[in-house]
Amino acid sequence: GESVGLHLPTLSVQEGDNSIINCAYSNSASDYFIWYKQESGKGPQFIIDIRSNMDKRQGQRVTVLLNKTVKHLSLQIAATQPGDSAVYFCAENITPGGNKLVFGAGTILRVKS
Amino acid sequence: DADVTQTPRNRITKTGKRIMLECSQTKGHDRMYWYRQDPGLGLRLIYYSFDVKDINKGEISDGYSVSRQAQAKFSLSLESAIPNQTALYFCATSDPTSGRYNEQFFGPGTRLTVL
Repeated sequence: GESVGLHLPTLSVQEGDNSIINCAYSNSASDYFIWYKQESGKGPQFIIDIRSNMDKRQGQRVTVLLNKTVKHLSLQIAATQPGDSAVYFCAENITPGGNKLVFGAGTILRVKS
Repeated sequence: DADVTQTPRNRITKTGKRIMLECSQTKGHDRMYWYRQDPGLGLRLIYYSFDVKDINKGEISDGYSVSRQAQAKFSLSLESAIPNQTALYFCATSDPTSGRYNEQFFGPGTRLTVL
């Protein structure tokens, strides 16, 4: 799950390996779950989202899995590259039909070459 | 040119001073947001605006105010800055009619330090 505080969870992976970043959410009424990526010195950037009535969605090199039973969300990155090094945030859209996002604390992904 | 710009990028101020952070966008989006980011925490929503006449409080609006001067401009003010408002501030925009319902476009951030 997400950690709150000064020390973010960190995932270190070897270049070329697959990465799995996990997130626990709290609001059962959220209609979308979203992943954002934040590179050092930049604002967050949208990666992919998934609607609450789905359990899997694929994008380019990324897959998001949603398990509503245990309120768990994961982001899988295939063939991780050095450019994937960043902080990854999960977010919930807590206002069905609206656009109000609640972000998790984030996970640091470090890619070793 | 960047689509979402923030000024200033860095600011150091003293307790009790009034500070304004500005955000401009060329994306033509109606919806704009202000967030703060603290070390080890995610982004927290301060205020949001769905159009020029619409202003809404987020989860941490105390001590802040906003003004939506035009579709392209959304400014955040700290009426009397205090040290625990030291943080990284982000402006964002979105256009839910675009088909990218949850995609918000963030500016580069303003690092604010209150001494």
